[in-house]
Amino acid sequence: QVQLQESGPGLVKPSETLSLTCDVSNYSIDSGYYWGWIRQPPGKGLEWIASMYQSGSIFSNPSLKSRVFISFDTAKNQLSLKLTSVTAADTAIYYCATSVGPFYLDYWGQGALVSVSS
Amino acid sequence: EIVLTQSPGALSLSPGERATLSCRASHRIDSRYLAWYQQRPGQAPSLLIYGASTRATGIPDRFSASGSGTDFTLTISRLEPEDFAVYYCQSYVGSPRVLTFGGGTKLEIK
Repeated sequence: QVQLQESGPGLVKPSETLSLTCDVSNYSIDSGYYWGWIRQPPGKGLEWIASMYQSGSIFSNPSLKSRVFISFDTAKNQLSLKLTSVTAADTAIYYCATSVGPFYLDYWGQGALVSVSS
Repeated sequence: EIVLTQSPGALSLSPGERATLSCRASHRIDSRYLAWYQQRPGQAPSLLIYGASTRATGIPDRFSASGSGTDFTLTISRLEPEDFAVYYCQSYVGSPRVLTFGGGTKLEIK
């Protein structure tokens, strides 16, 4: 079974760039699944950020598209997320997830809390 | 843009009772692209149902789901203590490709 583990700084300053990585185990990231990022502000609901296919095809939440960059590092078997120009509204638990198709999310990491504060 | 509205926002029931959760879409959704997730406190969400009615691997048969068009339902036939959690519906639209989550229903122990 695919295992996912998010990591990155727990605190980011306003206007800076949030950077997270997702280590993937038990599956090669370039073997054909869809890979995505979802976030959840403390005490609130889920918000999809973006998804990427092994081919490099990316689709993003329109409300975040201009600030989101996701990519693979196949050598490290990692997925990465960069979110630019962050504000306090970007404070959330960030999850990476994967699935066979783009329609839903089969496997989730445990999440990484990122706070945006000066 | 699809908006998914889940109701009720919170539901208080006792173990052994039946729970019925609703997810209503602002526009018609292909049933293949409607999923449900369970999120227990302090945990990541986990996939319960995909394709509107197919249980994910390992999901007990007390969970069932149905629906089409704009109205979808998740039913838990006999609540177990571990079922008290937040439930989210999620849709996928193909053009442009977007995933959308509903606001969630919190299932609480009465």
